[in-house]
Amino acid sequence: NAGVTQTPKFQVLKTGQSMTLQCAQDMNHEYMSWYRQDPGMGLRLIHYSVGAGITDQGEVPNGYNVSRSTTEDFPLRLLSAAPSQTSVYFCASSYGLAGGPGEQFFGPGTRLTVL
Amino acid sequence: AQSVAQPEDQVNVAEGNPLTVKCTYSVSGNPYLFWYVQYPNRGLQFLLKYITGDNLVKGSYGFEAEFNKSQTSFHLKKPSALVSDSALYFCAVSPRNSGGYQKVTFGIGTKLQVIP
Repeated sequence: NAGVTQTPKFQVLKTGQSMTLQCAQDMNHEYMSWYRQDPGMGLRLIHYSVGAGITDQGEVPNGYNVSRSTTEDFPLRLLSAAPSQTSVYFCASSYGLAGGPGEQFFGPGTRLTVL
Repeated sequence: AQSVAQPEDQVNVAEGNPLTVKCTYSVSGNPYLFWYVQYPNRGLQFLLKYITGDNLVKGSYGFEAEFNKSQTSFHLKKPSALVSDSALYFCAVSPRNSGGYQKVTFGIGTKLQVIP
């Protein structure tokens, strides 16, 4: 199993550009999430999905869009990049655990710089 | 709202000595609690979790954590530190409610430095 894969690993954007960060998992997990990691702030939840066709906002959703058309894929779209979106982005997947999250499996991350 | 506090930005310990990385939490009702480790330029890896039952939870790589409900703490411990344990450690909490997705809140992380 490849686990959770993310592409690209690195990306540099100019302010106002748009792009999509790709995430895929091959573990048939129902839950998938996107986090951003910033120094001194830990991981913050951007968006999450509890299954194909179902998504919801996390703690810091502004400027980001998601969709989940299949169980495997959960892309994150930056609509109009801003320097404040410079960060490391992690995708994670997990199975449910009696109504709550099981342990999450994380991708290797995408390091995004917005100039 | 749920929250996690990791009061130490960095913990230094000599190789072979016991280590403790502290975590306290705030959540409505009973919690799910997790520890994750992040090695440089890598994603997070799961170490252990507390769901219910025994307050002492054993996990990967010889780590364990003790759930203390009265102190709302979930400290990570290891009897004998290795240089290879040097990494960034995250504590996380989720409320244990029935049904539906429960958001996980992470602490800001504690850098563990094991000195040879």
